[in-house]
Amino acid sequence: NAGVMQNPRHLVRRRGQEARLRCSPMKGHSHVYWYRQLPEEGLKFMVYLQKENIIDESGMPKERFSAEFPKEGPSILRIQQVVRGDSAAYFCASSPEGGQPQHFGDGTRLSIL
Amino acid sequence: SQQGEEDPQALSIQEGENATMNCSYKTSINNLQWYRQNSGRGLVHLILIRSNEREKHSGRLRVTLDTSKKSSSLLITASRAADTASYFCATVQMDSSYKLIFGSGTRLLVRP
Repeated sequence: NAGVMQNPRHLVRRRGQEARLRCSPMKGHSHVYWYRQLPEEGLKFMVYLQKENIIDESGMPKERFSAEFPKEGPSILRIQQVVRGDSAAYFCASSPEGGQPQHFGDGTRLSIL
Repeated sequence: SQQGEEDPQALSIQEGENATMNCSYKTSINNLQWYRQNSGRGLVHLILIRSNEREKHSGRLRVTLDTSKKSSSLLITASRAADTASYFCATVQMDSSYKLIFGSGTRLLVRP
């Protein structure tokens, strides 16, 4: 039973480009969460989605950031017109139901040149 | 704002010793969870304790929760070099969203 799969593991973008981060939850999990981690810090919540619905996006910047979890396929975190401050590790987690322990992927490390 | 402070920020012990990490939080919670993160990897869930529980054990792990003080502790007994990692507490608050609110973490080094 594969765990949470994130790709790419590393992503390099120049300022102004777009970054697309993908997350395939564990089989049978319909709840997906995205977190951001800066070096030497804890994770910060960004957005919580269920299939085709955004449940809580209170941690996501209102501009340039968007997330989706379509009926088919992985969840996507999209960052438009990236800036240096977007450099971070982005983690996706999934759970079978809300409130259950979350299973994390190994993250995507985004570097902005 | 994000909540959760952990202390110590860093802890270095000898293999075989016990390691204790503390976590404080600010709001009412549904449950509190502890996670481990090895360098460059994602988080691994260790243990979950509900707001109506005071203590929980799992193998060499012991977690306590004091909701009156809004604090929790994680004890790792008979530590091993493989326990070297960062440890984070995370709370699920008393609302409809199940997002995790993380502390800043404790970096544990277990010396062989």
